Amino acid sequence: GENVEQHPSTLSVQEGDSAVIKCTYSDSASNYFPWYKQELGKGPQLIIDIRSNVGEKKDQRIAVTLNKTAKHFSLHITETQPEDSAVYFCAALNYGGSQGNLIFGKGTKLSVKP
Amino acid sequence: KAGVTQTPRYLIKTRGQQVTLSCSPISGHRSVSWYQQTPGQGLQFLFEYFSETQRNKGNFPGRFSGRQFSNSRSEMNVSTLELGDSALYLCASSLSGGANEQFFGPGTRLTVL
Repeated sequence: GENVEQHPSTLSVQEGDSAVIKCTYSDSASNYFPWYKQELGKGPQLIIDIRSNVGEKKDQRIAVTLNKTAKHFSLHITETQPEDSAVYFCAALNYGGSQGNLIFGKGTKLSVKP
Repeated sequence: KAGVTQTPRYLIKTRGQQVTLSCSPISGHRSVSWYQQTPGQGLQFLFEYFSETQRNKGNFPGRFSGRQFSNSRSEMNVSTLELGDSALYLCASSLSGGANEQFFGPGTRLTVL
């Protein structure tokens, strides 16, 4: 089955700097890769996703890149702000089609220092 | 549109008891997935329901079960609770599951004493 590794587990940056979180997956059949942000006491919030037919996707200050050959994908946050502080999870769809389930990385705790 | 709602938000039970958690998906969404979140194991998939049928199941014992109603609302049940079942239980709603976006509720925090 699918396995997702996420690095780093913690990341501390200064406000205004960029943050990068990387994930690798094992199943080459995976075709959908969402990223979630979880704040304390809340459920995960979908912030961006990418499908295997696209190499990069951007939404304002966040972007995701996908390298299918290397089986890794990354989240990039530019001009970080204190409100970006949270735990971020990457995920990969276990297998394609309509019946796949998400396999999550262990999470990255991002701290943005003002 | 209202988001995913889960009730109750907090539960305290003792070992051996059973518990039922409820999830109301976003209007129009027919797929509901359940996840268990713990500090040690992270987010783990429990099962997915679509049109009242369990379509996919994770690697959890038979004590964990669920169902979905005709209005897409879903419940999960855990019988014979163990201390290790203490976790945040999250449900996620999706139009039709799979590679469609999944939106999570706030979760139910279950504590087993």
